[in-house]
Amino acid sequence: TQLLEQSPQFLSIQEGENLTVYCNSSSVFSSLQWYRQEPGEGPVLLVTVVTGGEVKKLKRLTFQFGDARKDSSLHITAAQPGDTGLYLCAGARGYGKLTFGQGTILTVHP
Amino acid sequence: SAVISQKPSRDICQRGTSLTIQCQVDSQVTMMFWYRQQPGQSLTLIATANQGSEATYESGFVIDKFPISRPNLTFSTLTVSNMSPEDSSIYLCSVRSSGANVLTFGAGSRLTVL
Repeated sequence: TQLLEQSPQFLSIQEGENLTVYCNSSSVFSSLQWYRQEPGEGPVLLVTVVTGGEVKKLKRLTFQFGDARKDSSLHITAAQPGDTGLYLCAGARGYGKLTFGQGTILTVHP
Repeated sequence: SAVISQKPSRDICQRGTSLTIQCQVDSQVTMMFWYRQQPGQSLTLIATANQGSEATYESGFVIDKFPISRPNLTFSTLTVSNMSPEDSSIYLCSVRSSGANVLTFGAGSRLTVL
């Protein structure tokens, strides 16, 4: 089993602050995905990164895939209460099963 | 992407009983999966639901406890049998999009066993 270590587990911040969530592994993944889940809903895909060193931006969210394709980060600029939720990273090796990180519960206070 | 309807959305059950969760997809999909999740935590894969054959279970999960049906390419059920309080969890159906190894999830079924 390829472990994917996600940190921090909890983040509680004020509106307007910046934050970064990390996913690290000793294994190489062909792609790395980020999902966000709100209470009472299933996880929803935010982005997939596939190339080492790749950076993708989704409004105030910036996703980066490490050069060696073993790690990834999610950076949120000027967080808003609507960003509150559970963030999950997931690594894929080809079409095999996804490996999920432990999750980060983000709470953004107005 | 596919739209998944999952029901029930939540239920409260007595220990020793069984509950069947249904997952309906609005399009034909090859790969369907069942996950378990404790609130606020990560996802644990229970099994892959195979159309026309027995499901493929992950370590720690067995067919007698979690029987799965997959009669066609748009529908699957997961049964949680002989429930105990330890089975209280969120159960999620998911499908893999064609051409990419990404998942679309149902809204989940929150099960509480008393």
